[in-house]
Amino acid sequence: EAGVAQSPRYKIIEKRQSVAFWCNPISGHATLYWYQQILGQGPKLLIQFQNNGVVDDSQLPKDRFSAERLKGVDSTLKIQPAKLEDSAVYLCASSLDRSYEQYFGPGTRLTVT
Amino acid sequence: AQKITQTQPGMFVQEKEAVTLDCTYDTSDQSYGLFWYKQPSSGEMIFLIYQGSYDEQNATEGRYSLNFQKARKSANLVISASQLGDSAMYFCAMREGPRGSTLGRLYFGRGTQLTVWP
Repeated sequence: EAGVAQSPRYKIIEKRQSVAFWCNPISGHATLYWYQQILGQGPKLLIQFQNNGVVDDSQLPKDRFSAERLKGVDSTLKIQPAKLEDSAVYLCASSLDRSYEQYFGPGTRLTVT
Repeated sequence: AQKITQTQPGMFVQEKEAVTLDCTYDTSDQSYGLFWYKQPSSGEMIFLIYQGSYDEQNATEGRYSLNFQKARKSANLVISASQLGDSAMYFCAMREGPRGSTLGRLYFGRGTQLTVWP
């Protein structure tokens, strides 16, 4: 079974530029999550989708971050404009509907200079 | 207040020995789940083990076991017979609410870096 796919793996941008990350969850997984992991910390949830609807985006900085999951499969997370403090690893995870276990992708390491 | 506390920034263990990684949690929910994840240097979070708050038995998965002490709000991970490949960052996490709830937010601790030496 293929795991969670993410791209790109690495991205370097200058502050005030925009960037987008892509995630393809495990086939059949209805729930998709985006986490932000700052160096030296555990991941923090940014947004959770159930199929193509947003369930939880309370920690998403909506003035600069946006995410969508059209058709309930792939998802994109966008940052516009980026700030230095957005430098982090962005992890995508998915889980079966009504299941606890979340399976994570390899992450995208973003560096904002 | 921190939902998950991992007080050991780093732990060292000799190959083939057992090691315990500490985790305490804070919640007022009666129903919750506790998880451990492993994060190698490659960056991917690998699910290891899960314990539900109403599970009477401690969870076990191969060489991993979870020492669940509900009254103390602790969920320590025990790795038996450590291997060199176990060297990684280990995260404890909690999900509040009953299984099957659509809210799936995991609260993570800051992690413990485990180093296994020959």
